[in-house]
Amino acid sequence: GAGVSQSPSNKVTEKGKDVELRCDPISGHTALYWYRQRLGQGLEFLIYFQGNSAPDKSGLPSDRFSAERTGESVSTLTIQRTQQEDSAVYLCASSPWGTLGYEQYFGPGTRLTVT
Amino acid sequence: GIQVEQSPPDLILQEGANSTLRCNFSDSVNNLQWFHQNPWGQLINLFYIPSGTKQNGRLSATTVATERYSLLYISSSQTTDSGVYFCAVVPNSGGYNKLIFGAGTRLAVHP
Repeated sequence: GAGVSQSPSNKVTEKGKDVELRCDPISGHTALYWYRQRLGQGLEFLIYFQGNSAPDKSGLPSDRFSAERTGESVSTLTIQRTQQEDSAVYLCASSPWGTLGYEQYFGPGTRLTVT
Repeated sequence: GIQVEQSPPDLILQEGANSTLRCNFSDSVNNLQWFHQNPWGQLINLFYIPSGTKQNGRLSATTVATERYSLLYISSSQTTDSGVYFCAVVPNSGGYNKLIFGAGTRLAVHP
């Protein structure tokens, strides 16, 4: 079946503009995660959605970052008033839950460059 | 919070050699995953292994949860094994299943 998909694959934006990144999880996966990977580093957790539970936003670096998820499908990560330090690859992952296990599967990422 | 340390940070191998990558974590975990990030940036799932031993072709992994470490073995390495290997854990204490990543081991396999 199809894996996690993300769009756009690359985004170049000017400092101060808003950007929206999209993630389509694997069908049937109830949990969805956003991570950020700065150049040459490991991944940092940003936000997590699971079913109808309140999202865990503990990893969002500032109030310029927000995310939404519609039911158990698409999610969008929005960065307002982008700064140069926001330049990174933003990766989305999804996983099943409960008796189906918790293994996370990652999409190809969106490379964001803020000029 | 939990610390995840991977060693070695960098590894250079000749094609055909074997290697062992290590992941130490500072607290008890619910889940542990190993990933390979290829040169195009894609994270590929290798193992989902909160405990025990698993094998998949030339790769195998062992997690000893009580001693807080995991090992990834690569045998008969190939140039396509090059890239960065990440260990990631979900700590027992809270976390809502978010993965905490180590800094990775950068592997280069030369022909």
